[in-house]
Amino acid sequence: QKEVEQNSGPLSVPEGAIASLNCTYSDRGSQSFFWYRQYSGKSPELIMFIYSNGDKEDGRFTAQLNKASQYVSLLIRDSQPSDSATYLCAVNDNNNDMRFGAGTRLTVKP
Amino acid sequence: ETGVTQSPTHLIKTRGQQVTLRCSSQSGHNTVSWYQQALGQGPQFIFQYYREEENGRGNFPPRFSGLQFPNYSSELNVNALELDDSALYLCASSWTSGNEQYFGPGTRLTVT
Repeated sequence: QKEVEQNSGPLSVPEGAIASLNCTYSDRGSQSFFWYRQYSGKSPELIMFIYSNGDKEDGRFTAQLNKASQYVSLLIRDSQPSDSATYLCAVNDNNNDMRFGAGTRLTVKP
Repeated sequence: ETGVTQSPTHLIKTRGQQVTLRCSSQSGHNTVSWYQQALGQGPQFIFQYYREEENGRGNFPPRFSGLQFPNYSSELNVNALELDDSALYLCASSWTSGNEQYFGPGTRLTVT
């Protein structure tokens, strides 16, 4: 069974702090990795994707991938109250089967 | 906004009935994937269509079926509805299979 695991949270950080979200996956054949943000009652919104080991930065967001450890993370710098949402980690293998974690609920307190 | 649209927004059906949900992919995207998201859980992969052919399927029974049309829009059909089918149904489109996917707003299905 291919699994994607996330800490369900809630994760609470003060405004301006760095939020760190973590995800592990079981399938070593996984090729591509995604972070989605989902506000309550809305659909997931793609915020980052990463295909190679290392870091990828986009604005306040940094995705980190370590395939040897089967670990992917998302860092949010200068967290804002508008970042409060559920963050979903998704992993895609060559079988076109995108698997999602259950999500981590993030709260940024003013 | 992603450019992916879904209809209807909400739907209420009775157990045993059949339902069809629709999705229009973002311009230029030839791949559509469907997901079921129960409350408090991550989306679960139902199946994917690539250039009108099913291109992968998750652990869902055959009463979940789909189509993709030449314009790459897609339908999800669910027969013999069960109470546990109540969920948010999400459609996502991508440039091609394996690339990043962009979600539509979803269809909230309630089965009573």
